Amino acid sequence: SQQGEEDPQALSIQEGENATMNCSYKTSINNLQWYRQNSGRGLVHLILIRSNEREKHSGRLRVTLDTSKKSSSLLITASRAADTASYFCATAPTGANSKLTFGKGITLSVRP
Amino acid sequence: DTGVSQNPRHKITKRGQNVTFRCDPISEHNRLYWYRQTLGQGPEFLTYFQNEAQLEKSRLLSDRFSAERPKGSFSTLEIQRTEQGDSAMYLCASSPGRAGGVLTDTQYFGPGTRLTVL
Repeated sequence: SQQGEEDPQALSIQEGENATMNCSYKTSINNLQWYRQNSGRGLVHLILIRSNEREKHSGRLRVTLDTSKKSSSLLITASRAADTASYFCATAPTGANSKLTFGKGITLSVRP
Repeated sequence: DTGVSQNPRHKITKRGQNVTFRCDPISEHNRLYWYRQTLGQGPEFLTYFQNEAQLEKSRLLSDRFSAERPKGSFSTLEIQRTEQGDSAMYLCASSPGRAGGVLTDTQYFGPGTRLTVL
């Protein structure tokens, strides 16, 4: 079963605009991760935020985590056509096993 | 390239045949995961190895599926008597576990093996 639910399911923006994607989850987590997947290819890890963190930055990426609302957001600033891809949030549970539970993903299209 | 590699990249087979996929993780990564992804969905966890020990299997992994990691390095995933519902992308990921004394959960994914069962 899939724990994360991303919102919106699809997003289309103009190059240079910011893209905000949201993720909600259901159970307690150790950390939450965002991945990118280009069409038909493997997943690329973008950023990891631990349950005791509230915000994290990496280049043009900013991720927030609100454990009280069981939600996270990913902001991509100054988007580029190359950011066009599917984006997934994935949660790792508390406990020893760090298997990831993914949402269905968000399709981002950045128009040049 | 020192990333995760998977072979073959594509496999087309007839229903009822057996198939085997291979995953070579990043060197020194002691954790290895298998996931399955169908069109329009996120990856779903199948199984997890720490070194050569298979520590967890999803209920998605029916008894037609078996995975091994005999020497704690590469892993194989075998599907016996394939069914059309097995058609999917099979993804392998590895994780270092501990890196520099810090426990890390970041998983590094391979390009996947796309299975089509006719």
